[in-house]
Amino acid sequence: DAGVTQSPTHLIKTRGQQVTLRCSPKSGHDTVSWYQQALGQGPQFIFQYYEEEERQRGNFPDRFSGHQFPNYSSELNVNALLLGDSALYLCASSFSGLTYEQYFGPGTRLTVT
Amino acid sequence: GENVEQHPSTLSVQEGDSAVIKCTYSDSASNYFPWYKQELGKGPQLIIDIRSNVGEKKDQRIAVTLNKTAKHFSLHITETQPEDSAVYFCAAPRGYSTLTFGKGTMLLVSP
Repeated sequence: DAGVTQSPTHLIKTRGQQVTLRCSPKSGHDTVSWYQQALGQGPQFIFQYYEEEERQRGNFPDRFSGHQFPNYSSELNVNALLLGDSALYLCASSFSGLTYEQYFGPGTRLTVT
Repeated sequence: GENVEQHPSTLSVQEGDSAVIKCTYSDSASNYFPWYKQELGKGPQLIIDIRSNVGEKKDQRIAVTLNKTAKHFSLHITETQPEDSAVYFCAAPRGYSTLTFGKGTMLLVSP
C-alpha cells in the first residue's frame, strides 16, 4: 500500500518565478492538506482540498493556490516567488471521516535564490 | 484559533532513560491530539494519537497522556534507543478539519 508521495524531491527557483508541486494521497484517502515547514519550525497550514474544492485556508497570501483532481491528487502552485518561500512543503492526506488523522509525504524542498 | 505550546525545545538523554515532552493547548473543545516523529530529510510520521474520551494510550515503548482540565498532553518514551533521536511534534485540531503544530522538540539519545 503506497503512502503519500510528492514530487519533485528538490527544486531550485529564482525570485519572481512560479512553481508547481504535486502530491498523491495514501490509498483510500480523499482529502489533501498542504503545509509549509521552515527550518527549525513546525509545519504551518496552507490550505486543504476536499471534493476538488478548497475547504479551509491558513494565513497565506493569494500567491499560494492549489487544485485537487478527480483521483484526489493535488497540486500546490506558488506565484511570484520570494526568498522567504524557501522551505519544505509537505502534503498530508486523510479520509474525510477522520480529517484530523493526517499522514505526511516526504516533502518537497524548495529553494528560492 | 488553537494555540499549541511545546516544551522543551531540545532534550538530551542517555540510552535506556525515559523522555517526556509536554504540550499545552488553548481550545477546550479540541478532541484529538497526535504526535509526529520527523527524522532528518523526511516528512513527519504519525506515531501515536489520543482522543479526548481517554486519558492515556500506550503503544509498546511510547505513551501519550491527556489532562483535559489543565489542557495539556504529553508524550512518554521509555527505554530510549539511539534510533529514537529525531524531532517530535505535537498537534491539535485547527478549525473543523486540520491541525496546528507545536514548534517541535529535538530529542537526542546518546549511546
